Amino acid sequence: GAVVSQHPSWVICKSGTSVKIECRSLDFQATTMFWYRQFPKQSLMLMATSNEGSKATYEQGVEKDKFLINHASLTLSTLTVTSAHPEDSSFYICSAGGGRGDNYGYTFGSGTRLTVV
Amino acid sequence: AQSVTQPDIHITVSEGASLELRCNYSYGATPYLFWYVQSPGQGLQLLLKYFSGDTLVQGIKGFEAEFKRSQSSFNLRKPSVHWSDAAEYFCAVGARGINSNSGYALNFGKGTSLLVTP
Repeated sequence: GAVVSQHPSWVICKSGTSVKIECRSLDFQATTMFWYRQFPKQSLMLMATSNEGSKATYEQGVEKDKFLINHASLTLSTLTVTSAHPEDSSFYICSAGGGRGDNYGYTFGSGTRLTVV
Repeated sequence: AQSVTQPDIHITVSEGASLELRCNYSYGATPYLFWYVQSPGQGLQLLLKYFSGDTLVQGIKGFEAEFKRSQSSFNLRKPSVHWSDAAEYFCAVGARGINSNSGYALNFGKGTSLLVTP
């Protein structure tokens, strides 16, 4: 079955620095990857959709200049949180879709817990 | 716009008792439906999914769910709950993109927190 790997699992960074999170599809080519954000005790909210080789589509209210998404290959998408601030602390999780079979975006990575201090 | 409602924020059941978690959706076409479980600090684990066919879906860990189109529901059930089932449960709805190979984003309910008592 489809396997999605996400790294790092957790990261602590200083306010003002940037953090990069990787999402990889290990056994299929992901034409589309989705990035979600989850605040403590809350549900998952879609941040953006990235399609290989094109610009990401951001959901309303998500700052595209703060959350940079790159999907340069069919197996890798990255989310960079630029100039991170404490309010960016959250759980970020990706899913990947595409390829043969029913890899339609319902397989998730293990998530990244970001803490900005 | 599609939406997902999980009416119960918290549910407490005794170990060994049966469980039903409710999920209602609003969507114009036949949705793709999912149930996930999330333990504290962990990612999402897919319990089961419904795309088409038999409306009673069997999943992992002894869970099942039934798609009822007339009620726009996809309730999750387990006949006998174990203490290890205590976690957060999310119902989600997805829709195929225009490009059938593009995958799709999921719309999640707010979750139901399950507490299991001895």
